[in-house]
Amino acid sequence: DIQLTQSPSFLSASVGDRVTITCRASQGISSYLAWYQQKPGKAPNLLIYAASTLQSGVPSRFSGSGSGTEFTLTISSLQPEDFATYYCQQLNSYPYTFGQGTKLEIK
Amino acid sequence: EVQLVESGGGLVKPGGSLRLSCAASGFTFSTYSMNWVRQAPGKGLEWVSSISSSSSYIYYADSVKGRFTISRDNAKNSLYLQMNSLRAEDTAVYYCARKLSHCPGGVCSTNWFDPWGQGTLVTVSS
Repeated sequence: DIQLTQSPSFLSASVGDRVTITCRASQGISSYLAWYQQKPGKAPNLLIYAASTLQSGVPSRFSGSGSGTEFTLTISSLQPEDFATYYCQQLNSYPYTFGQGTKLEIK
Repeated sequence: EVQLVESGGGLVKPGGSLRLSCAASGFTFSTYSMNWVRQAPGKGLEWVSSISSSSSYIYYADSVKGRFTISRDNAKNSLYLQMNSLRAEDTAVYYCARKLSHCPGGVCSTNWFDPWGQGTLVTVSS
C-alpha cells in the first residue's frame, strides 16, 4: 500500500499569511494526487486534482505542485474561511489512501 | 446540480448489519466509478470501497474485506454498501463520492473524487 505523510499535522497561522503543506508518498504516484479541504461537520471539498490543477470555483490563492513522491499545497494569503483541515489523497493504485490531515488553526 | 445523498445510517449492535444507500442526481450515474469513504469521530479519512461503472471491478480496504459489499443499481442511480459483522471500529461517518478521471486519447493520467455526499453516521455499540 502507498503511504502518504502530510506535514505539518497542525499549523497555526494568521490571516494574510502564506502557508505550505507537504504530502510525501512512500512510492511514486506520478500526478495522481488530490487535495481536499474539510470544515467541521462537513464533507470534504475538492481543491486541487492532478497535483496542480485548480478545481473550478476554488479561489486562486490555492495552488498545488509536485510529482512523483513529493507534493505541496500552498495558500498564498490566508483568509478567515480557509481555517480548516486539509487532506491529500493518492489515486494511483488501490487501496486509495489519504494523508493523516493538516489542521490549520488561527493564531 | 450534481448531488449525492447518503442514507441508511444508524445505531447497530456489534455483529449486526446495516445497508447504506447513496442516491445520485444531476449526472449520468452509469458512466462513473463510485466510492465509499469513512471518517471515524475525530479521525482522518479512510477509503473503504470502489465499484466501476458497470460493476465489473470492485475493490475493498483490507479493514472491511469479507464483511462489506459494495453494489450499484444504474437504473435507480443508486450506490449501496452492505455492512455485515459490524465492529465498534466501523463507527464513522460514511461518505459516497464520484470518481472522475482525465483520460486524453483513452490513456488516463489522473483521478480524483468529486463531489462527495453529506455523509451518514453509523454507530456500532451495544
